[in-house]
Amino acid sequence: GAVVSQHPSRVICKSGTSVKIECRSLDFQATTMFWYRQFPKQSLMLMATSNEGSKATYEQGVEKDKFLINHASLTLSTLTVTSAHPEDSSFYICSASDIVNTEAFFGQGTRLTVV
Amino acid sequence: GNSVTQMEGPVTLSEEAFLTINCTYTATGYPSLFWYVQYPGEGLQLLLKATKADDKGSNKGFEATYRKETTSFHLEKGSVQVSDSAVYFCALTANTNAGKSTFGDGTTLTVKP
Repeated sequence: GAVVSQHPSRVICKSGTSVKIECRSLDFQATTMFWYRQFPKQSLMLMATSNEGSKATYEQGVEKDKFLINHASLTLSTLTVTSAHPEDSSFYICSASDIVNTEAFFGQGTRLTVV
Repeated sequence: GNSVTQMEGPVTLSEEAFLTINCTYTATGYPSLFWYVQYPGEGLQLLLKATKADDKGSNKGFEATYRKETTSFHLEKGSVQVSDSAVYFCALTANTNAGKSTFGDGTTLTVKP
């Protein structure tokens, strides 16, 4: 299957700082990328959908000014958590799909801890 | 909208026991169906998938059959091992929105020796 690489796998940051998470499709062109958030012992919650070259579509209740998403190329999307607070600590997972498959391919996830 | 309902957990089994984790879905059209596994502290791994009715996905001894008449995609394994202990997620993607996944709540499986 196609490979999606997410970086970093773990990050600890201080409250008030911003953190950027990268999601790369290594061997295919990702026309659409998705960002999910997973709280401990819970399922994945879709945060936003991004299409290459256009603004991301955020799910209801997700603050677009807090979670900045950029999808500037067909192989890279970034999620920036701005002015992070401890309640933003979570597991963030990206996925990517192309125009051919209904399946999305998932990154390894990023464990964010805000102290 | 689309939704996935999974059997509530946690599920605890002895090694070599038979496993069934129920999954039913609601979706318009003909979704693709997936089972993912998540080990502690790790991301999602695709376990198996089925893209049309009556398809059977299988991998590592796990199986699931896409049943359109019952809108189900139950996960089964004939003989579980301790190493199968993990969280299992049932998910779907709608053909009208390729790649956007809807997940069930997850079922935690613990296999004891």
